[in-house]
Amino acid sequence: GAGVSQSPSNKVTEKGKDVELRCDPISGHTALYWYRQSLGQGLEFLIYFQGNSAPDKSGLPSDRFSAERTGGSVSTLTIQRTQQEDSAVYLCASSATPGLAGGPLYNEQFFGPGTRLTVL
Amino acid sequence: GDSVTQMEGPVTLSEEAFLTINCTYTATGYPSLFWYVQYPGEGLQLLLKATKADDKGSNKGFEATYRKETTSFHLEKGSVQVSDSAVYFCALSAPGGAGSYQLTFGKGTKLSVIP
Repeated sequence: GAGVSQSPSNKVTEKGKDVELRCDPISGHTALYWYRQSLGQGLEFLIYFQGNSAPDKSGLPSDRFSAERTGGSVSTLTIQRTQQEDSAVYLCASSATPGLAGGPLYNEQFFGPGTRLTVL
Repeated sequence: GDSVTQMEGPVTLSEEAFLTINCTYTATGYPSLFWYVQYPGEGLQLLLKATKADDKGSNKGFEATYRKETTSFHLEKGSVQVSDSAVYFCALSAPGGAGSYQLTFGKGTKLSVIP
């Protein structure tokens, strides 16, 4: 079946502009995660969605970052007034509902190919 | 907070050499442990996992054992191939806010295997 897809694959923007990044999770996966991969910080968790529950936003680096998930499926990560330090690869991952597939702590996440964001 | 420490790269090995990439973790409770691999130009893929102490995860000739007493999850392979050249990430998953099981990653270790 289809994996996690992300668009665009590459995005170049000017400092101060807003950008939107899209993620289509694997069909049937209720959990969706956004991560950021940058040279200086490695792979960092940003935000988590589970079904219709309130998201876990604890990893968002500033209030310029926001995300939504419509209809429990597609998610959009928005970065407002982009800065050069926002340049990174933004990864989306999805999984089945944590805890249902093999035990309370089992959680296999499937990653998309990422969106490479460059802020000039 | 939770953290993962893995050996810094890059690591360069000749084909058929033995590979060890060290990984240690700090976490409250009992996390699940993972190794993810990122091949050149591709996305992150799960390589292997272990969900409780003394479990051994294995896949494609790679192995790692969940050692609670040493809080470690070292990755090993007896005979590497050129096709194993990639970046390897150790990660843990533990309950977070709102029922999240987000992954906490190490910095990654780049492996290059030369013929």
